[in-house]
Amino acid sequence: GQNIDQPTEMTATEGAIVQINCTYQTSGFNGLFWYQQHAGEAPTFLSYNVLDGLEEKGRFSSFLSRSKGYSYLLLKELQMKDSASYLCAVVTSGGSYIPTFGRGTSLIVHP
Amino acid sequence: ETGVTQTPRHLVMGMTNKKSLKCEQHLGHNAMYWYKQSAKKPLELMFVYSLEERVENNSVPSRFSPECPNSSHLFLHLHTLQPEDSALYLCASSQELAGGQETQYFGPGTRLLVL
Repeated sequence: GQNIDQPTEMTATEGAIVQINCTYQTSGFNGLFWYQQHAGEAPTFLSYNVLDGLEEKGRFSSFLSRSKGYSYLLLKELQMKDSASYLCAVVTSGGSYIPTFGRGTSLIVHP
Repeated sequence: ETGVTQTPRHLVMGMTNKKSLKCEQHLGHNAMYWYKQSAKKPLELMFVYSLEERVENNSVPSRFSPECPNSSHLFLHLHTLQPEDSALYLCASSQELAGGQETQYFGPGTRLLVL
């Protein structure tokens, strides 16, 4: 099985930087996704990492360390609209290559 | 808009009712998924279809019955549900199933309440 852990809730201030961590314990690792889900809406794709390192995409960056079973999503210049749930999902070869999701981190951005 | 639509958006049903959830994707994808999302729990995979063939049934009770008549449509038939089945039911699609790097596109979900 897989064990994926993320903080349940985080708060941050508009304009600040926040880092959302995701740790996992799995075998046959084959990639990690981050999705954003606003309340009452569909999850939407943010990033995919399969190699170690940092992938930058505008205000959002995602980092992966396969040896440590660790990823983070970095959000810069936070805006109120970034208040959402952030879902970490791990893909393994033993899971038919279908992502297994963590519980998600609810991020609240306040003025 | 993600290209995946779901109807109805909200559904209230009694335990003896029969209802169906519908999902349609306009992306030309070959794989479709049903997930259950409950408060404070991870997204739970229920069923996976690839090219209209069911490839995954994640130990889901038989009161949930999926149907995939073609690669663009996916249904979830519900009967004699329990109150603990109340949740958000999400449909998703991806271009293919295998490979591990296929991005999933989610619909907005059906919020189900079982009384």
